[in-house]
Amino acid sequence: DGGITQSPKYLFRKEGQNVTLSCEQNLNHDAMYWYRQDPGQGLRLIYYSQIVNDFQKGDIAEGYSVSREKKESFPLTVTSAQKNPTAFYLCASRGLAGASNTGELFFGEGSRLTVL
Amino acid sequence: QQQVKQSPQSLIVQKGGISIINCAYENTAFDYFPWYQQFPGKGPALLIAIRPDVSEKKEGRFTISFNKSAKQFSLHIMDSQPGDSATYFCAASKAGTASKLTFGTGTRLQVTL
Repeated sequence: DGGITQSPKYLFRKEGQNVTLSCEQNLNHDAMYWYRQDPGQGLRLIYYSQIVNDFQKGDIAEGYSVSREKKESFPLTVTSAQKNPTAFYLCASRGLAGASNTGELFFGEGSRLTVL
Repeated sequence: QQQVKQSPQSLIVQKGGISIINCAYENTAFDYFPWYQQFPGKGPALLIAIRPDVSEKKEGRFTISFNKSAKQFSLHIMDSQPGDSATYFCAASKAGTASKLTFGTGTRLQVTL
């Protein structure tokens, strides 16, 4: 089945620790995105990438880092510099070329991070 | 600055009723307006989308109404069912091959029996 796989689904972290969330897609999409979801605040863009080895900051990039070494993978690291990391994190992808450029974002099922 | 404003924050509708969720945008360059549906513990999924060359789009029980001059668009769910209970997000983006979607803050819909 084509789709986006995020792992882990639940993650607990102690303050001061970095944690990496995995996102893998087999949709052959060029663009990948990380969003953070908090109650009452909708989805806020953290980072996005249009092509391998290139990525751009979104609206709330401070305290986060990403890499895009492979087309299908876009891991997100939540660093100890992120002041309030407890949230639901969503990875998404989007086709950009030709018929796949419908504008639709496909989301994974999310990773819930709790800082203890 | 929030570019897409969504209301209401929550909505309770009886089964068989009409659910209406409204969104307003500021950026006149936006030309793609999707609605996403999210069930608890899951990622959002595209429900229906519209581009500004039409004023209305209908897919089954779901209809988007679009008012370009007022910079507003809304989602209507006809004959609402308990299975429609979810959080709904409107979004908008402007032309561009990798344009970012800007999301509203979401509406939690509960359809009661």
